[in-house]
Amino acid sequence: AQKITQTQPGMFVQEKEAVTLDCTYDTSDQSYGLFWYKQPSSGEMIFLIYQGSYDEQNATEGRYSLNFQKARKSANLVISASQLGDSAMYFCAMRERENSGGSNYKLTFGKGTLLTVNP
Amino acid sequence: ETGVTQTPRHLVMGMTNKKSLKCEQHLGHNAMYWYKQSAKKPLELMFVYSLEERVENNSVPSRFSPECPNSSHLFLHLHTLQPEDSALYLCASSQDPAGGNTDTQYFGPGTRLTVL
Repeated sequence: AQKITQTQPGMFVQEKEAVTLDCTYDTSDQSYGLFWYKQPSSGEMIFLIYQGSYDEQNATEGRYSLNFQKARKSANLVISASQLGDSAMYFCAMRERENSGGSNYKLTFGKGTLLTVNP
Repeated sequence: ETGVTQTPRHLVMGMTNKKSLKCEQHLGHNAMYWYKQSAKKPLELMFVYSLEERVENNSVPSRFSPECPNSSHLFLHLHTLQPEDSALYLCASSQDPAGGNTDTQYFGPGTRLTVL
């Protein structure tokens, strides 16, 4: 099974509207971290937001919020008031222990969602 | 300079050439990483260095040779590459790779490599 699943290869949104990018994950660990990154066409992977598995509140960073539903193992990214500059690939990632009880951690990325913001 | 920088941004090389990619982090982090991003494939971790020691090597062919002279600099030496090695190579750094699930990786802009 894939560790991180992003089911939307591409999404379109009108400028100034909100958009939700889906992410589901698979882990047997109780402790893990979830990340979202933005990758514009220039290539740089930009860290957006982090959610810890024990965090009770949904993470927010400016126009970005993470809709964390632990029981469903989903960590959707919500971008409010979309801007043209939000057009990019968005990657969901999970950090967990490589082996149960071990001290090595691994960050696994999904395949990404290409978001296009239309004027 | 701030964050993580990579040079060159673009590189075209023949299969018999030897070249090096350079990464520098200005964040005071202890760990650095090399990733490969090919078209339509998830990001692949290649190497991890923690305090200048290699802690992970994900079955990467020997034609890729990393070097970490100090905690701020990371190199990827390339020789006798294949066309399928053409990809975006991303460098990242983080504070502490053994620091639990909150350790956040910060990426550079990448080097877009084309092997002819």
